Amino acid sequence: RKEVEQDPGPFNVPEGATVAFNCTYSNSASQSFFWYRQDCRKEPKLLMSVYSSGNEDGRFTAQLNRASQYISLLIRDSKLSDSATYLCVVNRPNDYKLSFGAGTTVTVRA
Amino acid sequence: DVKVTQSSRYLVKRTGEKVFLECVQDMDHENMFWYRQDPGLGLRLIYFSYDVKMKEKGDIPEGYSVSREKKERFSLILESASTNQTSMYLCASSLAGDRDTQYFGPGTRLTVL
Repeated sequence: RKEVEQDPGPFNVPEGATVAFNCTYSNSASQSFFWYRQDCRKEPKLLMSVYSSGNEDGRFTAQLNRASQYISLLIRDSKLSDSATYLCVVNRPNDYKLSFGAGTTVTVRA
Repeated sequence: DVKVTQSSRYLVKRTGEKVFLECVQDMDHENMFWYRQDPGLGLRLIYFSYDVKMKEKGDIPEGYSVSREKKERFSLILESASTNQTSMYLCASSLAGDRDTQYFGPGTRLTVL
């Protein structure tokens, strides 16, 4: 079983729509969770950390569900510039390294 | 702003060649990482270095070695390139106390023929 699993998508949404997607992780002892964003042919960049209580950063909302071992990302009022692949990232408590999901692709159309 | 640079964006090599991929960061980060990224598999850690001359194997070290002679530079070496090493290679760096916030270079797309 993969350590981090994501629906690859693509999620094709019109501008202004809300889009949400999840990722699941296998290690219940993981403590740190992140969403990274990767534009086409570019490097991944940290989008936001995910806290237990859930957190918002502008139009982006991240949630953590420890009981079911998944994290989610919701994007409100989608912009064309939100088109990217979103990588779910979870720390590995046994060796302090990160596990990356394969990414969920979002395409926002005009 | 953290800047991580990689020596080449695109590289084409032949099977059996020795390949050097260079990575330089300008923020005095202690940790440096080499990943490869393949469709459907996500980023997989090849090697990690937490200090000059220190290295640790990642999840897929076979066929690779690394060198960290200076703090700012971390090199990935393919001793004898094979076609299954065709991939996107990403270098990253982070502060000693924060392995979770990693800054990535632009990547090197390596094709081995």
